[in-house]
Amino acid sequence: GAGVSQSPSNKVTEKGKDVELRCDPISGHTALYWYRQSLGQGLEFLIYFQGNSAPDKSGLPSDRFSAERTGGSVSTLTIQRTQQEDSAVYLCASSFGGGQEQYFGPGTRLTVT
Amino acid sequence: QQQVKQSPQSLIVQKGGISIINCAYENTAFDYFPWYQQFPGKGPALLIAIRPDVSEKKEGRFTISFNKSAKQFSLHIMDSQPGDSATYFCAAFTPSGSARQLTFGSGTQLTVLP
Repeated sequence: GAGVSQSPSNKVTEKGKDVELRCDPISGHTALYWYRQSLGQGLEFLIYFQGNSAPDKSGLPSDRFSAERTGGSVSTLTIQRTQQEDSAVYLCASSFGGGQEQYFGPGTRLTVT
Repeated sequence: QQQVKQSPQSLIVQKGGISIINCAYENTAFDYFPWYQQFPGKGPALLIAIRPDVSEKKEGRFTISFNKSAKQFSLHIMDSQPGDSATYFCAAFTPSGSARQLTFGSGTQLTVLP
């Protein structure tokens, strides 16, 4: 079956602009995660959704970051007023049930100029 | 706070050799330890995983060894092949309540020479 898909694959934006990154999880997976991968910080947890429950936002680096998940499926990560330090690969993962076996999408490479 | 420490940062192995990557963790609440393989431009792919009540798990050429008392686990790649050249990440899963997430090691770049 289809894996986790993310769009766009690449995004170049100017400092100060807002961006939206999209994630389509594997069908039937109830848990959805966003991670950020950058050279200096490795793979960092950002936010976790489980079904229709309130998300765990504990990993979001600032209030410029937000995410939503509509209908328990597709998720959008929004970064407002982008800064150069936001440049990274944003990865989405999904899992069934407890969230241990996480399957990652190909990521969105964000470059802030 | 780095909760999963991974070594070495890079590793070069001859074809047919054994690649060994080590990880150590601090949080005894972790209850699931996966390894991911990542090729350039791709997302991490789940390779093999182990739970703390098991000391070893083998899948094909890949083996995880787990030492609960030492809070360490390692990935062994037997008969390493050039196609195994990739970055490998260990991780640990936090199961508690709403804070269910993977904490990753810093990664090991493996190069297998032909």
